[in-house]
Amino acid sequence: AQSVAQPEDQVNVAEGNPLTVKCTYSVSGNPYLFWYVQYPNRGLQFLLKYITGDNLVKGSYGFEAEFNKSQTSFHLKKPSALVSDSALYFCAVREQGNDYKLSFGAGTTVTVRA
Amino acid sequence: NAGVMQNPRHLVRRRGQEARLRCSPMKGHSHVYWYRQLPEEGLKFMVYLQKENIIDESGMPKERFSAEFPKEGPSILRIQQVVRGDSAAYFCASSPARAYEQYFGPGTRLTVT
Repeated sequence: AQSVAQPEDQVNVAEGNPLTVKCTYSVSGNPYLFWYVQYPNRGLQFLLKYITGDNLVKGSYGFEAEFNKSQTSFHLKKPSALVSDSALYFCAVREQGNDYKLSFGAGTTVTVRA
Repeated sequence: NAGVMQNPRHLVRRRGQEARLRCSPMKGHSHVYWYRQLPEEGLKFMVYLQKENIIDESGMPKERFSAEFPKEGPSILRIQQVVRGDSAAYFCASSPARAYEQYFGPGTRLTVT
């Protein structure tokens, strides 16, 4: 079975500071990992994904994520947060061999203060 | 290129009524997925459809819930005889093929009174 945990319900940072949103996963085989962002009253927007290759994945809006197989983690990072990054962030996983069923974490609310 | 469209955005139903949620996938996408988000939880997979076919409905409650994706028109998620526990946000996603990124709609927030 596949699952995702986002250990922090909320993350608060000051604008200009680094932002990290944590995600750990559990799968039987190789993972495909995704980050989505949800703004109020909007659908989930795809940020980035890890399928294979480099452990550091770059995505939209200056975000990146690092895949760490030994720690089964896929933390989302941004070197310098903006107020407009305030939103709800979801990590998702699916196992190799399962090519459509995503399992999501409960989400982390990010608030960036000016 | 319009994104995934869902309507209505908000739906209020009394217990026992029927709820119909619609999803129009992105242009060129023939694969549709429905997810449900209960309060304080992540999205949970419900069903995967292609045109005129249900591929996987393993996440659908066995009773009262059904989904379709006809040859013409939007995908419909139908909930009969709604109960308070059905109150949730229902998200639709689409993709051009299996194993591609799923693009999500804005969701329908169902409230059962």
